[in-house]
Amino acid sequence: ELKVEQNPLFLSMQEGKNYTIYCNYSTTSDRLYWYRQDPGKSLESLFVLLSNGAVKQEGRLMASLDTKARLSTLHITAAVHDLSATYFCAVDPSAGLGHDKIIFGKGTRLHILP
Amino acid sequence: SAVISQKPSRDICQRGTSLTIQCQVDSQVTMMFWYRQQPGQSLTLIATANQGSEATYESGFVIDKFPISRPNLTFSTLTVSNMSPEDSSIYLCSVEGRLNTEAFFGQGTRLTVV
Repeated sequence: ELKVEQNPLFLSMQEGKNYTIYCNYSTTSDRLYWYRQDPGKSLESLFVLLSNGAVKQEGRLMASLDTKARLSTLHITAAVHDLSATYFCAVDPSAGLGHDKIIFGKGTRLHILP
Repeated sequence: SAVISQKPSRDICQRGTSLTIQCQVDSQVTMMFWYRQQPGQSLTLIATANQGSEATYESGFVIDKFPISRPNLTFSTLTVSNMSPEDSSIYLCSVEGRLNTEAFFGQGTRLTVV
């Protein structure tokens, strides 16, 4: 059974600081997703990582994937209050085209202090 | 990206009743997925709905409690039957993107059972 583990589950940090959220998964996967969820809202897709060594950046967020280590990271640079949200990583264990079910981590609740 | 319309966005229901949630997509998709997000928790897959066949349910979820319809390639419904307060959650539908690598989510249905 595929397991997706995120850490930390809760993170409180000061504005302007850098930090990294880690996502480990237990079986081979070709696709890893990062989502953002604001309170009471649905999921916003941030990144889709499809291959080993993939790195994607959007603003102050950068995600990377190491399929050999089964590890993805979401790095936050110079955090700002607007980034406060819950961040989920999710893994699709299927191979090839088309996707199967996606397994989610428990989420990291990020609170950025002004 | 796929545009997903989910209805209702929220509802308050009496225990013992049933609620049907609709999910409409702006393009044809092979698979649609239904997730549950209990308060403060991550997302758990309920079932996968393919057009023309019975839905595939995950462990812990049964058809009698969560019947699903998939009459065509752009529409699906999830019914939460004989509701109890433990069914209070956000229910989300999800579809794969056109490139078969992305996964998009509807805005969710926030269900409260009293």
